[in-house]
Amino acid sequence: RKEVEQDPGPFNVPEGATVAFNCTYSNSASQSFFWYRQDCRKEPKLLMSVYSSGNEDGRFTAQLNRASQYISLLIRDSKLSDSATYLCVVILGANNLFFGTGTRLTVIP
Amino acid sequence: GAGVSQSPSNKVTEKGKDVELRCDPISGHTALYWYRQSLGQGLEFLIYFQGNSAPDKSGLPSDRFSAERTGGSVSTLTIQRTQQEDSAVYLCASSLTDSQPQHFGDGTRLSIL
Repeated sequence: RKEVEQDPGPFNVPEGATVAFNCTYSNSASQSFFWYRQDCRKEPKLLMSVYSSGNEDGRFTAQLNRASQYISLLIRDSKLSDSATYLCVVILGANNLFFGTGTRLTVIP
Repeated sequence: GAGVSQSPSNKVTEKGKDVELRCDPISGHTALYWYRQSLGQGLEFLIYFQGNSAPDKSGLPSDRFSAERTGGSVSTLTIQRTQQEDSAVYLCASSLTDSQPQHFGDGTRLSIL
């Protein structure tokens, strides 16, 4: 079983829609969680960290469910510029990190 | 099916030694990327191969770093005269084309003593 699993999508949503992605992880000892955004032909860039209490940054909300071992990313009021691939990253310990394969989002005008 | 495979998974070596990291991309994937992530840092792009085109080496941090991709498949990243600041996780990713999502390997955890 993979350490981190994501639905690859693609998710095609209209502008203004709300969309959510989940990412499951297998190791309950995982310590830190992140969402990365990756634009076409670019390196992945950190979007936001995921905290136990949940956190929000503008239209983006990240949540962690330790009991069910998943993290989620919610995007409200989708913009065309949100089209990208969203990667979840799970860190088990120092220098021990695992990436999901990414979920591709396309926001349609 | 088989994903991106990297080897070794862990490497500990002494400062000044050369190291070679290997990446086997998913079969048929034309694009291959190398990244590194130092402790507490984000992903740092190193180099990108697309088909038979000249690689984009713009991210290589110094001339001690080099990479090649033989036959459009396996890639090796070589670090010469390693320094302690080279300690990081080195990640390889491949994608079907450069506009498709990247699939990451598990990384090579490099520690320079």
